[in-house]
Amino acid sequence: AQSVTQLGSHVSVSEGALVLLRCNYSSSVPPYLFWYVQYPNQGLQLLLKYTSAATLVKGINGFEAEFKKSETSFHLTKPSAHMSDAAEYFCAVSPIQGAQKLVFGQGTRLTINP
Amino acid sequence: NAGVMQNPRHLVRRRGQEARLRCSPMKGHSHVYWYRQLPEEGLKFMVYLQKENIIDESGMPKERFSAEFPKEGPSILRIQQVVRGDSAAYFCASSPWGQGTDTQYFGPGTRLTVL
Repeated sequence: AQSVTQLGSHVSVSEGALVLLRCNYSSSVPPYLFWYVQYPNQGLQLLLKYTSAATLVKGINGFEAEFKKSETSFHLTKPSAHMSDAAEYFCAVSPIQGAQKLVFGQGTRLTINP
Repeated sequence: NAGVMQNPRHLVRRRGQEARLRCSPMKGHSHVYWYRQLPEEGLKFMVYLQKENIIDESGMPKERFSAEFPKEGPSILRIQQVVRGDSAAYFCASSPWGQGTDTQYFGPGTRLTVL
């Protein structure tokens, strides 16, 4: 069975500061990993995904994430936070083989302080 | 190129009524997924369908819930005899090939409120 744990349900940073959102996964088979962002009352938008190519993945809006197999982690970072980054962020995992359903973490709400 | 469309965006039902949620996938996508998001929680997988086939319904409650994706028309998630615990946001996603590398594209969701 697969699972995802996002450490910290709420993260608050100042505008211009580093954003770090943590995601750890558990999977018995090699996973594909995703980060999605959800703005209020909207659907989910893909930020980036890891599909067993480069371990450092660059996404939209200046975000990137690094797959670390030894740590079973896929943390999301952005060097400099912008007010428009305030949203809910979800990490998700799916297996390489088998069912294509995504297993989501519980989400991290990011607040940006001016 | 229109994205995934869901309607209605908001649905209010009284206990015991039926709720029908519709999802039109992106053009060219033949794989549809339904997820449910309870307040303050992440999304939980419900069902995965291809045209005229249910591929994986391991996340569907055993009673009152059903889903279909007919040859023509949108995918439908049907909830019979709704209860207050069904109040949630229901998201539909679609993908082109049903593979693990696929990006699932999400619709804006239907927010169901059961009075």
